[in-house]
Amino acid sequence: EAGVAQSPRYKIIEKRQSVAFWCNPISGHATLYWYQQILGQGPKLLIQFQNNGVVDDSQLPKDRFSAERLKGVDSTLKIQPAKLEDSAVYLCASSSAQETQYFGPGTRLLVL
Amino acid sequence: AQSVTQPDIHITVSEGASLELRCNYSYGATPYLFWYVQSPGQGLQLLLKYFSGDTLVQGIKGFEAEFKRSQSSFNLRKPSVHWSDAAEYFCAVVPLSGGYNKLIFGAGTRLAVHP
Repeated sequence: EAGVAQSPRYKIIEKRQSVAFWCNPISGHATLYWYQQILGQGPKLLIQFQNNGVVDDSQLPKDRFSAERLKGVDSTLKIQPAKLEDSAVYLCASSSAQETQYFGPGTRLLVL
Repeated sequence: AQSVTQPDIHITVSEGASLELRCNYSYGATPYLFWYVQSPGQGLQLLLKYFSGDTLVQGIKGFEAEFKRSQSSFNLRKPSVHWSDAAEYFCAVVPLSGGYNKLIFGAGTRLAVHP
C-alpha cells in the first residue's frame, strides 16, 4: 500500500513570496490533515478535511494560509505572503474515518 | 489547561540499555493515546496506540507503553535500545470531546544512543 505522498520535499523562498505544497493521501482515506511543525516543537494541526469539506481550520492563519482539497483526494496548502516565522516542516496526514493518522515525509520550508 | 507533557527534552542511553520515555496528559476524560517516532528528515511513524482495554500496549520495533489512569500517564518503554532507535519521539492524544479526530502532540523527546 502506497503511503502519503508530499512534494516538494524542500523549499527555500524569500519573505513575502508565495509557496504551495501538495499532498496525495493514502487511497481511500476520506480524512486529510495538514500540520505545521516548527523546529523543536510537536506538530500543530492547521486544517482538517473530511472528503472535500473543511471540518477544522481553527488554527489556520487565514490571512496568509489557504488550503483546498478538490474532488476529495489531493490537497494543496498555500502560503501568501510568507513570513520568516513560517519556516517549518509541513506534514500531511490521512486517515480512514476516526482511525489512525498516517503521515507523509513532510515539506521543509525555509523563509529567508 | 488541556495539554500533553513530555518532561524530558533530550535523553541519552547506551546501546543495549533499557529506555523509558515519559508522557503525561491533562484532559477530563481519558483521550486516545499514541506514540509516534520521527527520524531525521522523515515523517512521523506510529509506534503504538491505546484506545481502551489492556493497559499494556505492544507496538512495533519492540516498543511497549503502559497506560496508568491514576497518573494520567502513557510512558513508552523498550528493554534494550538499538543504535537505530535514535530519533525524536512524540506522545500524542486525541481528546474525546471536540470531535474531528484532532491529534494534540507533546513537544517531543530526542533520543541519542551511545555505542
